[in-house]
Amino acid sequence: TQLLEQSPQFLSIQEGENLTVYCNSSSVFSSLQWYRQEPGEGPVLLVTVVTGGEVKKLKRLTFQFGDARKDSSLHITAAQPGDTGLYLCAARRGRGSGSRLTFGEGTQLTVNP
Amino acid sequence: KAGVTQTPRYLIKTRGQQVTLSCSPISGHRSVSWYQQTPGQGLQFLFEYFSETQRNKGNFPGRFSGRQFSNSRSEMNVSTLELGDSALYLCASSLVSPVWANYGYTFGSGTRLTVV
Repeated sequence: TQLLEQSPQFLSIQEGENLTVYCNSSSVFSSLQWYRQEPGEGPVLLVTVVTGGEVKKLKRLTFQFGDARKDSSLHITAAQPGDTGLYLCAARRGRGSGSRLTFGEGTQLTVNP
Repeated sequence: KAGVTQTPRYLIKTRGQQVTLSCSPISGHRSVSWYQQTPGQGLQFLFEYFSETQRNKGNFPGRFSGRQFSNSRSEMNVSTLELGDSALYLCASSLVSPVWANYGYTFGSGTRLTVV
């Protein structure tokens, strides 16, 4: 069982459409991050959210951290082909020496021109 | 400034051999973490080093080991390779140990290991 469940696993849309991907867990997290990974490259950090209910915007991307800090969503407005990639959420449990960053399996997004 | 450098980019090894992968973090970053990425399992945490000390270890067999040098460069070693070890191995560096703050990682491009 994955600590972080991402949905959907795969998403194929047309340029200009809006979309939302989700990252859910039964655990509470001290922080949550979103990364985007393109083929042949490592993931690139997009945003970190820390406070329950927090909303952050990065151009056409809107990130939200759930009030209970157990889930998060990523909304993309007017998707473009350049948004294609694997979107990963990652969360850290606790703050002590046992804390580690755990990743979901990702949502593979394809934006068709 | 230079990013995280992983070498080699691609590697083909035979079952039973051993392999050493290298990671040079961003200058000034003292924390290095390693992840294994496979299509079925996603990114799985291997270990984290900070100032030459292993701070955290994932649930991998003892065939997987690592170390960090005084210049923060890190290596990971896999002995007695198995077919299931075929994966993309990613190194990530961070300015501080993640145990303290919510800093993000900067990842390298990875080493694609194929075991035949």
